[in-house]
Amino acid sequence: KAGVTQTPRYLIKTRGQQVTLSCSPISGHRSVSWYQQTPGQGLQFLFEYFSETQRNKGNFPGRFSGRQFSNSRSEMNVSTLELGDSALYLCASSLSVGGASYEQYFGPGTRLTVT
Amino acid sequence: TQLLEQSPQFLSIQEGENLTVYCNSSSVFSSLQWYRQEPGEGPVLLVTVVTGGEVKKLKRLTFQFGDARKDSSLHITAAQPGDTGLYLCAGAWRGNKLVFGAGTILRVKS
Repeated sequence: KAGVTQTPRYLIKTRGQQVTLSCSPISGHRSVSWYQQTPGQGLQFLFEYFSETQRNKGNFPGRFSGRQFSNSRSEMNVSTLELGDSALYLCASSLSVGGASYEQYFGPGTRLTVT
Repeated sequence: TQLLEQSPQFLSIQEGENLTVYCNSSSVFSSLQWYRQEPGEGPVLLVTVVTGGEVKKLKRLTFQFGDARKDSSLHITAAQPGDTGLYLCAGAWRGNKLVFGAGTILRVKS
């Protein structure tokens, strides 16, 4: 079974631009979560989608948004990029939301650099 | 404040040594997972523990879930350079949220 895939793997953008990142979950997984990882803040939760609905949201500004399609693929968008948005953006999929064994399977991430 | 506190933050040891990483909280979790992440890659799930007091072994790695399901530990026996990476614990909290610790960076020198 193929793992979680993320595109692109690397991205360089200029401050003020917007960016869209894509994630394809493991086949059969209906939940997709997004995380931002930086050396200083660690792994921070952005949002989670299940069956095209946002189920949970972290403490990020409205510039960060996401969506999920009927085939469970997900995209996240960051508008008006700031230097501090430079990070590794990770997507993770799971069979469902919550439950006793809430396991997430991560993609390789998209390394975003904002200059 | 982190809901899950991991310690130590950094660990640099020689090949062959043993080590333990701790993950502590004042909250109860329905399950707890451990992940390992290598530079430039996403975290990889190592194990999930569900029952209080549960112990799971994965080759040289031993994972334990506290009796009260508030803490966990990861013990590595005879560490090898291939064990180098960032170790993350994550707890399933209030049924539908997964919270991560800040991680422990492990470096094993040959």
